[in-house]
Amino acid sequence: GENVEQHPSTLSVQEGDSAVIKCTYSDSASNYFPWYKQELGKGPQLIIDIRSNVGEKKDQRIAVTLNKTAKHFSLHITETQPEDSAVYFCAASPHKKAGGYNKLIFGAGTRLAVHP
Amino acid sequence: DGGITQSPKYLFRKEGQNVTLSCEQNLNHDAMYWYRQDPGQGLRLIYYSQIVNDFQKGDIAEGYSVSREKKESFPLTVTSAQKNPTAFYLCASSMLSSGANVLTFGAGSRLTVL
Repeated sequence: GENVEQHPSTLSVQEGDSAVIKCTYSDSASNYFPWYKQELGKGPQLIIDIRSNVGEKKDQRIAVTLNKTAKHFSLHITETQPEDSAVYFCAASPHKKAGGYNKLIFGAGTRLAVHP
Repeated sequence: DGGITQSPKYLFRKEGQNVTLSCEQNLNHDAMYWYRQDPGQGLRLIYYSQIVNDFQKGDIAEGYSVSREKKESFPLTVTSAQKNPTAFYLCASSMLSSGANVLTFGAGSRLTVL
């Protein structure tokens, strides 16, 4: 069935280092890949997303890369800061038809700790 | 401020009792969702609704029920039939007209069964 695997489950880095989180998906029809950040005691918040017609997308210190052939995508955070500490979830979804619903399949999450 | 409000934030329940979690949004979003979050697992979909008076089962609907009488409200009832109800519950919403399923989440409700 549909599945998204996310690695690592925990990641510890020093402030200023880079962090990389990787996800693989099973449904080849998936073509929308969002990343959510969940801070302690809060709901997840979308931080960046990518569609299958793009190989890479950047937004300041965060970037996402997509390899459709290998069915994996990654989140890259550069110059990490303590406020980047959170749980990060990847997800995959087939293309959404207007007015319709396509489910999001979430990875299990990565707990990132950035140490000063 | 536009957003999703979930209440209560913390809830304790005795075994055999039904509880209802509230979810209200003022974003004018069409669709609303309930997810369950357990440690070390991804978010699992319980129920979703694309339109008022209509809802669909997600992957783990057994032991739960919902209603969608108003566009802005999507309460979730955790019934006594739910075998392992202790979890963190997240409500979300999205616009169906957008090109992708971009979810806005509430802050969550943590349910503990004593």
